[in-house]
Order: sequence, then C-alpha cells, then structure tokens
Amino acid sequence: GESVGLHLPTLSVQEGDNSIINCAYSNSASDYFIWYKQESGKGPQFIIDIRSNMDKRQGQRVTVLLNKTVKHLSLQIAATQPGDSAVYFCAEERGTSYGKLTFGQGTILTVHP
Amino acid sequence: NAGVTQTPKFQVLKTGQSMTLQCAQDMNHNSMYWYRQDPGMGLRLIYYSASEGTTDKGEVPNGYNVSRLNKREFSLRLESAAPSQTSVYFCASSHPGLGTEAFFGQGTRLTVV
Repeated sequence: GESVGLHLPTLSVQEGDNSIINCAYSNSASDYFIWYKQESGKGPQFIIDIRSNMDKRQGQRVTVLLNKTVKHLSLQIAATQPGDSAVYFCAEERGTSYGKLTFGQGTILTVHP
Repeated sequence: NAGVTQTPKFQVLKTGQSMTLQCAQDMNHNSMYWYRQDPGMGLRLIYYSASEGTTDKGEVPNGYNVSRLNKREFSLRLESAAPSQTSVYFCASSHPGLGTEAFFGQGTRLTVV
C-alpha cells in the first residue's frame, strides 16, 4: 500500500558531526513533505518543509532534499548538537487531503557529547 | 500564547469506561486534528475537522467520536474503551490549505486496563 517510511530506525552521531536522516515514500501524488522533531514527552515540532516542485530547501542548520525520481526525502542536520537528540518523523500531505498528514515510522537520533 | 492545549495529560481507564479528551487552540485555526501514536510508530490520523461544524474520519476512526464544539475546541470521545486504544493522543491545528504548518499539543497518554 501507499506509505511513508524510514530506512533507518536509529542513528547515533558525535556532537559536531553532520546527520542525515532518510525517508522513502511511495505515493507519487504527494505534494508536500514535512520533517518533524519529537522530544521525549512532547508533541511533534515542525522543523522544515518542502513542496514537490522543489528539490532542496535550507533552514538554520537543516536542509531537506527531495528526489522525486526515486521517491526519497532526506533531512540533513549540520553540526549536530546534543539538543538535536529526538525522534524525527517525515510526513507527507497529498494535494487532495489538505492538512491530513501521513507520518513515517520515525528515526531516533542520539547525539553523543 | 498557549498554542494547542490538551487535557488531561495522563489517564488510566478500565475496559468499557468512557472518557472525553479535550483540545483547545488559540491560534484562530480553522482545521483541527486528532492523531494517535503507538510505540515505535508514527502518528495516525483518527478524525479531523476542516472547519467549524464539519468532521471527517481519518485513517483509524473506529471506536472514537469527535465534536467540533466551536472554532477553538475539538474533543475526542471514547465511548467504551478497549486495551487496543492504549496510546498517546495528539491534537493538532492548522490553517486550511496545502502546505500549512500543523501545531501539536503535548499529548494525552491513555492506558486502558
């Protein structure tokens, strides 16, 4: 079935390294993709988004790359900090389903000092 | 600015009991959502309300009912709780339309014994 999923369930990095979190999606009708960060005991928090007509978008220390050919999404975090430790979810929104997000499984990012 | 507020934060129910999860947002958003999050999984949409006076089923609506009381409030009701409904429940809100950021509450951790 159609889904959004992640390649790696856990990722451990050293402080200062760059982190890359991956996500695969199968629905070519997806129009909008979002990365959320969820810290323990909290709700998801928006990090960065990208529309399907773009292939790259940059924010502060984060970059999202979209490869529509292989239906792949990635989140790059530069100079990862201990405060970046959290679960990261990719989510998709389809053009006919405004506001209704389909979430991937999640990747646990652990940053070691 | 409180954002999205959920009550209660924790709840234990016995099988067959009923309860209502409350959600309120102060961002003047038209759209509101209820998600559930099970261990090791992403969030799944239970119900959503595109605007005041309208509600629609999401991916996993069975066993739940919702009420969009007014623009600010969107409640989720479990009429007869089952152990399979043990989960963390998140309410979210957003402006309508594709590509608008959804803001999440802190979550309600529900255990059904």
